[in-house]
Amino acid sequence: SQKIEQNSEALNIQEGKTATLTCNYTNYSPAYLQWYRQDPGRGPVFLLLIRENEKEKRKERLKVTFDTTLKQSLFHITASQPADSATYLCALANSGYALNFGKGTSLLVTP
Amino acid sequence: DTGVSQNPRHKITKRGQNVTFRCDPISEHNRLYWYRQTLGQGPEFLTYFQNEAQLEKSRLLSDRFSAERPKGSFSTLEIQRTEQGDSAMYLCASSSESGGYNEQFFGPGTRLTVL
Repeated sequence: SQKIEQNSEALNIQEGKTATLTCNYTNYSPAYLQWYRQDPGRGPVFLLLIRENEKEKRKERLKVTFDTTLKQSLFHITASQPADSATYLCALANSGYALNFGKGTSLLVTP
Repeated sequence: DTGVSQNPRHKITKRGQNVTFRCDPISEHNRLYWYRQTLGQGPEFLTYFQNEAQLEKSRLLSDRFSAERPKGSFSTLEIQRTEQGDSAMYLCASSSESGGYNEQFFGPGTRLTVL
């Protein structure tokens, strides 16, 4: 069956450190993968998209890697801040436009 | 444009009643999606429109669920004969056709509670 797995436990890190979140998938051949941020009681907010032929993508303090051999994406937040505390969702699609989401990883950045 | 809007934000209903939710996408977006999210889970895809055409429906979408997008603008999601298992956050998202696999812009959601 198709699965998208993200760190099930919350990630607690100290302000200023780099947070690394993992997304593993099985039985998908995604054309692209996206990362979203979700705050409590709100809809997800798009952060980054990486295509299957791209290895790495950066945006300000964010970096995403995509390894289609390992079937894994890593999401990094450098110089993390308390305002980065949220749930981060990995999403992908085999084809078309409907997204399949992981359960998300909760990140807590403490001062 | 202020983004995707959804109404109502909260809905409490009794089991067996029908409910209808509305989504207004970003005006220039021709693609519209409905997702459902329960506590501790990621959003689950329900259905997708391109303009007024409903192009994809999830196996999760039972016969009690129906979605429309007349004239390719706003969309409605109706749930008939609600069940307690329908309690969830219903999220709407929209995206633009230009640029290929674009990001989706989500609304704030409608939280449904079925008593």
